[in-house]
Amino acid sequence: EVQLVQSGAEVKKPGESLKISCQGSGYTFRSYWIGWVRQMPGKGLEWMGIIYPGDSDTRYNPSFEGHVSISADLSISTAYLQWSSLEASDTAMYYCARHVGLTSAWFESWGQGTLVTVSS
Amino acid sequence: EIVMTQSPATLSVSPGERATLSCRASQSVGNNLAWYQQKPGQAPRLLVYGASTRATGIAARFSGSGSGTEFTLTISSLQSEDFAVYYCQQYNNWPRTFGQGTKVEVK
Repeated sequence: EVQLVQSGAEVKKPGESLKISCQGSGYTFRSYWIGWVRQMPGKGLEWMGIIYPGDSDTRYNPSFEGHVSISADLSISTAYLQWSSLEASDTAMYYCARHVGLTSAWFESWGQGTLVTVSS
Repeated sequence: EIVMTQSPATLSVSPGERATLSCRASQSVGNNLAWYQQKPGQAPRLLVYGASTRATGIAARFSGSGSGTEFTLTISSLQSEDFAVYYCQQYNNWPRTFGQGTKVEVK
C-alpha cells in the first residue's frame, strides 16, 4: 500500500527556520515525483513545487521560489519542505503528494498534512 | 500562469440529485486536467485525471468531461458522502494551478 506520512504539527515564531517531512513507503520512492501543496486557513489549494527524488530535479512555483526549499533524502525515502525564515503568512496546512511523471502530473496519493502555525 | 476558475462557488443539491461543477482555464490545457474531492479535516482525494478518466476506486457516479478550456465534473446521484469541496487542477503548464474550489452542500 502506498503511504505518504508527514511530520507533526509545528508552532513557530516569525523569523525562525523549519523543515517538515514526508516519508514514502509501499513503492519505489526514487521513481515518483513528490509535490507540496499549501492550504491556508479556510482557503483553496496552491501548488508549491515538486521534486524527483531519483535525481533531485526540482521545479518551483515562482510564487514560492526563494522562500521555500524542497529536497529529498533517498536513504530514508523522505522529502522535505524547508523555510529559513518563517512569516506569519506561512501559517497553513501543507500536504505532500506524489505523481508519476511530468506529463502524468496529477496527484494520486496524498499525505495527511502538516499544520504549520507561525505566530509571535 | 494559467488561471483556473470554478463555478459556482457553492452548489446546493439534495441527496439523489445530479450535480454539475464547472472549471474554466484561462488558456487551453488540452485534456491535462484533474479533479479532487476534499472533505473537512482530510487531505484531498483524486477523482479524475486526463479530464475524464476515473481514478482507481472512484465510484461510477463521478464523471469528468471537457477539453481545452472548459471542463465539467458531474455527480450523477449525490450520496451523503459526496458533500465536500471539489477542486480542478491543470497540469499542462508551469506552474501547475488549482481552481478555487466548489463547495457542494446539502440543500
